[in-house]
Amino acid sequence: AQSVTQLGSHVSVSEGALVLLRCNYSSSVPPYLFWYVQYPNQGLQLLLKYTTGATLVKGINGFEAEFKKSETSFHLTKPSAHMSDAAEYFCAVSGGSNYKLTFGKGTLLTVNP
Amino acid sequence: EAGVAQSPRYKIIEKRQSVAFWCNPISGHATLYWYQQILGQGPKLLIQFQNNGVVDDSQLPKDRFSAERLKGVDSTLKIQPAKLEDSAVYLCASMRGDTEAFFGQGTRLTVV
Repeated sequence: AQSVTQLGSHVSVSEGALVLLRCNYSSSVPPYLFWYVQYPNQGLQLLLKYTTGATLVKGINGFEAEFKKSETSFHLTKPSAHMSDAAEYFCAVSGGSNYKLTFGKGTLLTVNP
Repeated sequence: EAGVAQSPRYKIIEKRQSVAFWCNPISGHATLYWYQQILGQGPKLLIQFQNNGVVDDSQLPKDRFSAERLKGVDSTLKIQPAKLEDSAVYLCASMRGDTEAFFGQGTRLTVV
C-alpha cells in the first residue's frame, strides 16, 4: 500500500521569498517520488522526480526536492518565488512492479507581489 | 512527440444521462491511467491498464463506470448513468516503463 500526505492545502509567499511545500509518503517498497504542477484548466506537468541515486533532485523552473528516507519526506523548495509559480502542486508516489501512481491532495501556492 | 490527447475538453450533461471520454496515449506507452479530479482535491486513480489488461480498478465505481483499452492503444471511459457527484475533471495519463507519467489536458464534466 502507498499514500501521500501534503501538509498545508494552501501556502502563501511573497515574491522573492523561499517556497517550501511539504510532502510525506508511505510505501511498502522503495518509492519513486514525483512533484507535479497544475495550472488552471491544464493537465499535470512533471516538475521533478526521484527514482534512485542522488537524493537531491533538481527540476524545472528552479525547483528542487530532497528525498529523506528516514523522515519519509520529499519536500519541494525554491529559493525565490516568482509570480508565475502560482499554481497547484501535487506530490505523488509510485512503487512496485505495477507502477501504481498515487497522488496527495495538493497544495495551492499563492505568490503575493 | 505528440502528447496525450483527450476529448472532449468540456462536457455538460443532465443527471442519469450517459457520457464517454476518449484518450489517445503517447505512442509506445504501455501503461494508461484514468484519474478523477474533483475540484480542490488531488487526482484519484480510477483504473490503470498495462497494454490492454487491467492492473488496478479497485476505485472504479463499477455499477456506473466502465473503461476499455482495446488493442492496447487508445482508451474510452464511460459513465452510465451519471450522478451529480461525478462532476469533475477526468485526466488520462500514459507511461512507458517506470519513468514518468504524461498527462493530457483533461475533460471537465459538469452534471446538472
